[in-house]
Amino acid sequence: GAVVSQHPSRVICKSGTSVKIECRSLDFQATTMFWYRQFPKKSLMLMATSNEGSKATYEQGVEKDKFLINHASLTLSTLTVTSAHPEDSSFYICSARDLWGLAGGEQFFGPGTRLTVL
Amino acid sequence: GQQLNQSPQSMFIQEGEDVSMNCTSSSIFNTWLWYKQDPGEGPVLLIALYKAGELTSNGRLTAQFGITRKDSFLNISASIPSDVGIYFCAGQISSNQFYFGTGTSLTVIP
Repeated sequence: GAVVSQHPSRVICKSGTSVKIECRSLDFQATTMFWYRQFPKKSLMLMATSNEGSKATYEQGVEKDKFLINHASLTLSTLTVTSAHPEDSSFYICSARDLWGLAGGEQFFGPGTRLTVL
Repeated sequence: GQQLNQSPQSMFIQEGEDVSMNCTSSSIFNTWLWYKQDPGEGPVLLIALYKAGELTSNGRLTAQFGITRKDSFLNISASIPSDVGIYFCAGQISSNQFYFGTGTSLTVIP
């Protein structure tokens, strides 16, 4: 089956620093990647949708200058949390989809990245 | 975004019991999906449903796509300890309109 990886799995940083999270599709080309945020014991909330080679589409209430998304290739998308603050601490999960290929457009989820901002 | 309400919010059951959970919305969806999430991991797809009335099984799991297209349910038969986790429904309207439910936390007591 399709595999999506995320790196790092955990990151702890100081307030004010920027953190980059990578999402990779390992055995398929992802025409679209999605970034979610999940608080403890809560559901996944979609932050943004990114199509390869174009700007990401952000959900209402998500600051695009705060959460920079780059989808430069068909296998890699990055989320950069800029000037991180403690309230940005959360579990970030990406998913990838190959609309024209494997599984007819099913989303495959990464294992998540736990961000803790001190 | 769309609101998908799952119930119950949490369940504590004895090993061997059957489990039933459902997901409802005020909106119509074209696809319903059920995921399981273990702690510290991403969701894993269990079952996907593509048309109203569809009933699909995956081992001990059975899910149905409601006739109104506004709801879905998931049953787990003869629960085992490894069924522990959070179960999420998800509804899809179009390729980029995908929404998760509020989740059902399942605890199986050996």
